[in-house]
Amino acid sequence: KAGVTQTPRYLIKTRGQQVTLSCSPISGHRSVSWYQQTPGQGLQFLFEYFSETQRNKGNFPGRFSGRQFSNSRSEMNVSTLELGDSALYLCASTPGGTVYEQYFGPGTRLTVT
Amino acid sequence: AQSVTQLGSHVSVSEGALVLLRCNYSSSVPPYLFWYVQYPNQGLQLLLKYTTGATLVKGINGFEAEFKKSETSFHLTKPSAHMSDAAEYFCAVSQESSGDKLTFGTGTRLAVRP
Repeated sequence: KAGVTQTPRYLIKTRGQQVTLSCSPISGHRSVSWYQQTPGQGLQFLFEYFSETQRNKGNFPGRFSGRQFSNSRSEMNVSTLELGDSALYLCASTPGGTVYEQYFGPGTRLTVT
Repeated sequence: AQSVTQLGSHVSVSEGALVLLRCNYSSSVPPYLFWYVQYPNQGLQLLLKYTTGATLVKGINGFEAEFKKSETSFHLTKPSAHMSDAAEYFCAVSQESSGDKLTFGTGTRLAVRP
C-alpha cells in the first residue's frame, strides 16, 4: 500500500497570504489528523477528521481550518499567515473508529516571510 | 487531560551501548502509549505501541518499552546502539475518549558516537 502523501513538500508564503495543504491518507483509512511541528512548541495537534466530519480540534486560532472529502483526502487551510505559522505540518491517517497507531506523511515545510 | 514528559532533550551514547530514553505520562484513564522516531526531513515512524495486555512491548529495529503503571512510565530501550539510531524520538499518549488525537512529548534527540 502506498503511504500517506502530502503536497506540496515545501512552500514559501508571505505574511498575510493564505495557504492550502493537501493530504492523501493510506487507502482504506478514514481518519486524518493534522499536526504542527515547530522547534519552540514541538508537535501540536491541530484537528482530526473522520468520515468528512471534524471529530477533534486542538487549541489553534480560527485561521486554521480543514476539511475532508468523501474519498478521505484532507486539506488544511491557514488564512492571514503570520511569521509564527512557519512550521512542518504533518498529516497522519488511521483506519478510524478506535485508537490506532497513526501513520504519518513526510510533512509540508511552510516558511512564512 | 493527558500529558507526556520526556526527560533529557539530548542523549548521547557510544555505538554498542545501551540506549535508554525516558518517558512519563499523565492520564486520567488507561492510556495508549506510543514511541515514534523522526529522521531529518522526514515524518514520524512508529517504533512501538502499548494498548492493553503485555506490558513489555517489542518494536522495530530492536527497540522495546515497558509500561509501568505504578511509575506512570514508558521508557524506551535498546540493548546496543547503532549509528543508524541517531534521530529524534517522541513519546506520545492517547486515550479512547480522545479518538485519534495524540499528545506528544517534547522529544529526545539521540546521538550515537562511533
